[in-house]
Amino acid sequence: KAGVTQTPRYLIKTRGQQVTLSCSPISGHRSVSWYQQTPGQGLQFLFEYFSETQRNKGNFPGRFSGRQFSNSRSEMNVSTLELGDSALYLCASTQGSEQYFGPGTRLTVT
Amino acid sequence: AQKVTQAQTEISVVEKEDVTLDCVYETRDTTYYLFWYKQPPSGELVFLIRRNSFDEQNEISGRYSWNFQKSTSSFNFTITASQVVDSAVYFCALNAGNNRKLIWGLGTSLAVNP
Repeated sequence: KAGVTQTPRYLIKTRGQQVTLSCSPISGHRSVSWYQQTPGQGLQFLFEYFSETQRNKGNFPGRFSGRQFSNSRSEMNVSTLELGDSALYLCASTQGSEQYFGPGTRLTVT
Repeated sequence: AQKVTQAQTEISVVEKEDVTLDCVYETRDTTYYLFWYKQPPSGELVFLIRRNSFDEQNEISGRYSWNFQKSTSSFNFTITASQVVDSAVYFCALNAGNNRKLIWGLGTSLAVNP
């Protein structure tokens, strides 16, 4: 089985812009979770989608949003980028209680 | 409140030494899962093990072993005969409640030197 794929792998954006990140889960997995990883805050949960519905949401501002498509692929969007949004964004594909992670998208905001 | 604490920020060992990574967790839920993940320099989080709160049986898998003790809320991870390829950041994580949100420790950076 192919693993979790995330695109793009690297991204450089300017403050005020918006960005969309994509995640394709492992085939057959219907749940996708997103995490933000920064040196200061560590790994923090953003949100989880299951069958195209957001099931859980972390403590992030409304600038962070996401969606899931009928094929379980998920996208997350960050609008009005701030310098503090620079991070590694990780997507996890879930089966039962086990979460398998993709390689991440490293976003740099300048 | 749910919390995971990894008190060791960095550990440096010489190849072939045994090393134990500590993890202490807090939760009021009676049903929960504990995880260890490895993050090599490439950045991808690699799943190592999952334990549920009802299974305190410790496990050995090759050079890896885990010690889960509910009495002390600890879930420690040991690498026997460490190798340079074990160099990575290791994260302990907790999943409790009826959701899939993982609560993470801050990680322990392990350097195995030749």
